Amino acid sequence: DIQMTQSPSSLSASVGDTVTITCRASQSISSYLNWYQQKPGKAPEFLIYAASSLQSGVPSRFSGSGSGTDFTLTISSLQPEDFATYYCQQIHSTPRTFGQGTKVEIK
Amino acid sequence: QVQLQESGPGLVKPAETLFLTCTVSGGAIKNYYWSWIRQPPGKGLEWIGYVYYSGVTNYNPSLKSRVAISVDTSKNQFSLMLNSMTAADTAIYYCARDTAAAGKGFDYWGQGTLVTVSS
Repeated sequence: DIQMTQSPSSLSASVGDTVTITCRASQSISSYLNWYQQKPGKAPEFLIYAASSLQSGVPSRFSGSGSGTDFTLTISSLQPEDFATYYCQQIHSTPRTFGQGTKVEIK
Repeated sequence: QVQLQESGPGLVKPAETLFLTCTVSGGAIKNYYWSWIRQPPGKGLEWIGYVYYSGVTNYNPSLKSRVAISVDTSKNQFSLMLNSMTAADTAIYYCARDTAAAGKGFDYWGQGTLVTVSS
């Protein structure tokens, strides 16, 4: 199985800040990397596919980059509705594995 | 707008078998993969497996000996069976449309259903 490791596990930020979350794969996954946002009590929502492509309807303040084993999710000008937990996921091979999550909290 | 809805028991006894169904509305089940994902309370996401509309399946090796996923295109539904349930299987179970084969992700999700394993 491909292991996905996110860092940090949690972070505190203020509205308007720019935050960056990293995700590392245990082996190369090319650009087969997705990002999801999950708010408490809700199902995850699909944000980014192919490492850097925004899913339809996702605000442009979200961006992704990376390839191979190292990836980042950046949220520019953090909004109140962005406080949530973020997960990366590899789809290079099955089983489709997720990172352990990064919780973005209000400072 | 595609919508998914999980249904099934909220409580299962240890050693029993879990059956969950996901009903897809607002879109066809054909030509897509459909996945089950679970999330223990307060923890991360675990992919259980997928079924293609043709019936082809792929399971997480960690659960492969206990799981089966099937599809009923006439009802626009797909189902999860997980046997020999233990407390470690207590989780929120989600169904989702899986577009990973097209290089994308799980673009539509059900709201999730909490399954508790307890006697």
